[in-house]
Order: sequence, then C-alpha cells, then structure tokens
Amino acid sequence: DAMVIQNPRYQVTQFGKPVTLSCSQTLNHNVMYWYQQKSSQAPKLLFHYYDKDFNNEADTPDNFQSRRPNTSFCFLDIRSPGLGDAAMYLCATSSNAGETQYFGPGTRLLVL
Amino acid sequence: SQQGEEDPQALSIQEGENATMNCSYKTSINNLQWYRQNSGRGLVHLILIRSNEREKHSGRLRVTLDTSKKSSSLLITASRAADTASYFCATEDNFGNEKLTFGTGTRLTIIP
Repeated sequence: DAMVIQNPRYQVTQFGKPVTLSCSQTLNHNVMYWYQQKSSQAPKLLFHYYDKDFNNEADTPDNFQSRRPNTSFCFLDIRSPGLGDAAMYLCATSSNAGETQYFGPGTRLLVL
Repeated sequence: SQQGEEDPQALSIQEGENATMNCSYKTSINNLQWYRQNSGRGLVHLILIRSNEREKHSGRLRVTLDTSKKSSSLLITASRAADTASYFCATEDNFGNEKLTFGTGTRLTIIP
C-alpha cells in the first residue's frame, strides 16, 4: 500500500546533540511537509518542499533544517536540540499544494 | 499563527449520539479540510470541502461550510467508541501559500 513512513517512531537525544528524523513516501507526491506538534496543540508547520523548492515558515527556528535528496525522502535535522524541542514531529505529503495531506505516524522526540 | 479556532475544545457524548464540532477561520479560503488524530498517531484526512460547496457527506460524516460567516461544522452521526479522537479543521487560504493552517482541535470522547 502507498504510504508515508517515518523513522524512527521514538527518538531520544541529549540536549545539544544533533538528531535527524526521516520520512519517506511511496505516493510519488510533489509536496512534503514537516510539522511540529506539542501535547494537546495543533500541528505547527515548520517548512515544506514543493518538488525541490524549499519553503521555510517565518517563525521556524534556525536550529531546524531540512533536506529532500529525491522525491521519496525528506529529512528533518535538529542541529542543537533543546528541551523545548521535545514534541511529535509529523511528516505529510500531498500531490499538490493545498490539497489533501497524507500523514505519517510521527516521530516522538524526547530531549534529555 | 492559528487560522482556525474550534469549538468546543472538548466534547464527551454517549455512544450512539451525534457529535457536532465547529471551526471558525479568518481569511478567504480555497478549501477547508477535516482531519482526525488518534492519540499519539498521525492525522487522517476525513473530508475536503471547497469554497464553492456548502455541504458534503461521507458515510456518517456531514460537513457544512458557510463562507459568509467563515465557519464550518463537522457532524458525526451515530457515534461509536472508535470515533474517540481529536478532530482538526485545516484551511488552504487563497493567497498562494501552498499550505494548510490547522485549527486548535476538538477532543471528542465517546462513552460506551
């Protein structure tokens, strides 16, 4: 089945230690999104790629970076995680901007 | 910034009853979407309604859209325990931003 896959499902890192979260899709969608979601809050968009074009949200901290080496894969790099970065990170895809988004199961990040 | 505000924030009903959730937004939109999120999981797309549509049905779901009031409602009929989840509305504005903005969500609990 076509799907959005996120690895790992749970990630524990230390304060200040770089961490990379990965997302892959078999839907061949043009657009990939990264969201941060904290407990009982709405998902907050960090950035998205429309094909190879990177779009950063104005309030996304510089600590967060992303790479999309090909259509199928997208990575979220957190260069120096702080305690406030502990959250669920959701990857999503859509065939076109603004259309239905298909979400992965998320990676829950814990920062010690 | 949050585009949508949802009401109520939390709702508990008996199994078999109908559940209604409301979403208000601020800007002109191309479409409005509803998503469900089970605890600790990714979001699942439920229904998309375009700005020129007023009502849409999918199984036990009924969505209405009133662009003059900038509001939408999601009705779940004959609720089941499996409907327990958080429900989010999300809007695509017509400013060409290529993204969805999520509301604050309604936590629905179905009591068996």
